[in-house]
Amino acid sequence: DQQVKQNSPSLSVQEGRISILNCDYTNSMFDYFLWYKKYPAEGPTFLISISSIKDKNEDGRFTVFLNKSAKHLSLHIVPSQPGDSAVYFCAASARNYGQNFVFGPGTRLSVLP
Amino acid sequence: DSGVTQTPKHLITATGQRVTLRCSPRSGDLSVYWYQQSLDQGLQFLIQYYNGEERAKGNILERFSAQQFPDLHSELNLSSLELGDSALYFCASSARTGLYNEQFFGPGTRLTVL
Repeated sequence: DQQVKQNSPSLSVQEGRISILNCDYTNSMFDYFLWYKKYPAEGPTFLISISSIKDKNEDGRFTVFLNKSAKHLSLHIVPSQPGDSAVYFCAASARNYGQNFVFGPGTRLSVLP
Repeated sequence: DSGVTQTPKHLITATGQRVTLRCSPRSGDLSVYWYQQSLDQGLQFLIQYYNGEERAKGNILERFSAQQFPDLHSELNLSSLELGDSALYFCASSARTGLYNEQFFGPGTRLTVL
């Protein structure tokens, strides 16, 4: 049973437009969420995080929104750039999980020039 | 470059064999984590070590084991390999254990079991 879901395996966006990547979770105990980005032949790299006490966190072109009642979070990238083309993983954690994150299956973003 | 190194990059072996994957964490990081990524799957947490001691276990098979040495490098041992063990294996490290410490990932080891 997947506790963290990313229902879109892939997404294509035009350069300069907004990319919206979605993530849903089932475990209401999750209270910390992260997005990781992964390029081919590299390990995932941390992008942005959000705690459940917030509903929005912004870092430059990247904003993560959290809707706890819907158990849904999204990553917005504005404006999208070709270098953003990668696989994006959503991950969640809870106090009783310690440092252990549950990852979603990933969404492959392609930003077209 | 995350500062986490993993060797080897690629490993091809046969069913029933045993392999060892190696990970060196970032300098100063005490926690090491192992993840498995199968085709089209997210990263599955396997096991965590902190300063030489096992801290948490995830979906790790009994055929798999790991350890963290005094110099903080870690090894993941996979035995009696099956075709389904073919995957990318990632190691990550963080400075401490406990909540919400960013994990830095290595480039992974791609294991192919024939």
